[in-house]
Amino acid sequence: QVQLVQSGAEVKKPGASVKVSCKASGYTFTTYGFSWVRQAPGQGLEWLGWVNTDNGDTTYIQKIQGRVTMTTDTSTSTAYMELRSLRSDDTAVYYCARDWNILTGLDLFDPWGQGTLVTVSS
Amino acid sequence: QLVLTQSPSASASLGASVKLTCTLSSAHSNNAIAWHQQQPEKGPRFLMKVNNDGSHTKGDGIPDRFSGSSSGAERYLTISSLQSEDEADYYCQTWGTGIRVFGGGTKVTVL
Repeated sequence: QVQLVQSGAEVKKPGASVKVSCKASGYTFTTYGFSWVRQAPGQGLEWLGWVNTDNGDTTYIQKIQGRVTMTTDTSTSTAYMELRSLRSDDTAVYYCARDWNILTGLDLFDPWGQGTLVTVSS
Repeated sequence: QLVLTQSPSASASLGASVKLTCTLSSAHSNNAIAWHQQQPEKGPRFLMKVNNDGSHTKGDGIPDRFSGSSSGAERYLTISSLQSEDEADYYCQTWGTGIRVFGGGTKVTVL
């Protein structure tokens, strides 16, 4: 079945960088884009951006533009999100989700990865 | 601006029904939306996609007591025969040109 498995929890100091991975299985990786979403403690879901697995195109929210890079490795069916210059308010659970079908344009947001807790603390 | 509005909370008794509402900004009233469930201490799970005509496509393994519908700019999630495990946060989400947007979420309490 379709599954997304994310990397483990991370603890980082302010100013450091973190790279979260999301390994896909059960379907052809390059036929769907990926979105990344985060959830700060006790808060709702915040969409961060997406990456096109076919051509590498990306879109990021303005809030983290310049600090974030979303990439994919088609050889391992893995999507990555790197966030730099970490601040305490970046502390959150980060999720990947399979997004739209690149071939058909059909919008989808299923399934989700299990989440990766990133803690930023001095 | 693409905005989704949800009531912060809803409640109903065990075995009863509850209907959640997600309202699209007026300029985007034809958008499809997705409903996601987040049980306590768990990650979100896709429930279904609801189109502007009320048709909906559910995710794998989603019980029949979850259904979706639509009216104008409003998209609904109805949970029938409420179970204790339905106590969760429910988020609606939509797709815009190059962006994705989430509603603020509705916390459902099973009495």
